[in-house]
Amino acid sequence: EAGVAQSPRYKIIEKRQSVAFWCNPISGHATLYWYQQILGQGPKLLIQFQNNGVVDDSQLPKDRFSAERLKGVDSTLKIQPAKLEDSAVYLCASSSLGYQAFFGQGTRLTVV
Amino acid sequence: DQQVKQNSPSLSVQEGRISILNCDYTNSMFDYFLWYKKYPAEGPTFLISISSIKDKNEDGRFTVFLNKSAKHLSLHIVPSQPGDSAVYFCAASSGNTGKLIFGQGTTLQVKP
Repeated sequence: EAGVAQSPRYKIIEKRQSVAFWCNPISGHATLYWYQQILGQGPKLLIQFQNNGVVDDSQLPKDRFSAERLKGVDSTLKIQPAKLEDSAVYLCASSSLGYQAFFGQGTRLTVV
Repeated sequence: DQQVKQNSPSLSVQEGRISILNCDYTNSMFDYFLWYKKYPAEGPTFLISISSIKDKNEDGRFTVFLNKSAKHLSLHIVPSQPGDSAVYFCAASSGNTGKLIFGQGTTLQVKP
């Protein structure tokens, strides 16, 4: 079974620039998550999709972050404009039934 | 408001001995708990979980204990192996939402 695919693996941008991350979940997984992991902390949920509908985006900074899930499969997370404090690893995860989420390798974003 | 806490940032044990990783939580509504393991430059991988209706779950060398009255869970690894060296995250969820609240992580080093 193929895992969760994310791209790019690494990204360096200047502050105020925009950036986008892509995620392809495990086939058949209806639920997709984006987590932000800042160095030294645990992952924090940004947004949760059920198929192509948003279930929870309470911790998404909506003034600069946006996310969409196309046709209930792939998803993109965008930051515009980026701030220094957005430097983190952005993890995509997916799940079918239950609590166990499968994570991708993540995208390490550095904002300079 | 840190609902899930791992108060030990790091732990070092000798190969063959027991590793005990601890996790405390504050939200009594949590009904499912998971442990994830993370190697550098990889996403977290699921290790073991426990429902709040149980107080112990075992899978090979890994056992998770849940003490609901103390709002405390622990992961026991016995015997510890050098390949177990990684960051371990405790996570909790409630109401079958799939949303995971993570602790800060504990870095385990198993010395040969």
